[in-house]
Amino acid sequence: IAGITQAPTSQILAAGRRMTLRCTQDMRHNAMYWYRQDLGLGLRLIHYSNTAGTTGKGEVPDGYSVSRANTDDFPLTLASAVPSQTSVYFCASSAGVSGELFFGEGSRLTVL
Amino acid sequence: AQSVTQLDSQVPVFEEAPVELRCNYSSSVSVYLFWYVQYPNQGLQLLLKYLSGSTLVKGINGFEAEFNKSQTSFHLRKPSVHISDTAEYFCAVSFYNQGGKLIFGQGTELSVKP
Repeated sequence: IAGITQAPTSQILAAGRRMTLRCTQDMRHNAMYWYRQDLGLGLRLIHYSNTAGTTGKGEVPDGYSVSRANTDDFPLTLASAVPSQTSVYFCASSAGVSGELFFGEGSRLTVL
Repeated sequence: AQSVTQLDSQVPVFEEAPVELRCNYSSSVSVYLFWYVQYPNQGLQLLLKYLSGSTLVKGINGFEAEFNKSQTSFHLRKPSVHISDTAEYFCAVSFYNQGGKLIFGQGTELSVKP
């Protein structure tokens, strides 16, 4: 089934450790996004990429980095995890400026 | 500033009753409007969207929404809800000058009781 695959589904991580959340899409969408979901705050954009080779900062980029080496993959890295990064992370892709976002199933990250 | 506000964090209703989930946005540029639904432990899926044209938009599962430009609102409605509609609902806005990035509201938890 075409769509977005995120890994891992769930992870518990010690503070200070490095962590990479993986995201792969098979829809050949140009744009990809990383959101974090926190209770009462909805989804907030962390980073985005409009096309392979380019990335941009969203609303809450601090402590996170991304890369977009090709169309399909858009990993999110936490260089040194902190407890405030405990959240559910969603990767999404879009075919165009006004197109809908397609979401992965999410990665639940707990930083202790 | 550009923002999205969902006016109700929780909406409890009885089965077969009508429901309205409210969404307002603030913008000085044209917008595209979306409603997404999130069932427990799942990702988000699109319910409906407004890009242009008719201001009344129909989506999946019997939901509809009306774009009101003068009131900067995009409220979601369903005339008769089912237990299976219990979920979190998110209003989202793409601002014309933001290159397709969606800004989400805080979410409304719809709880349908028998």
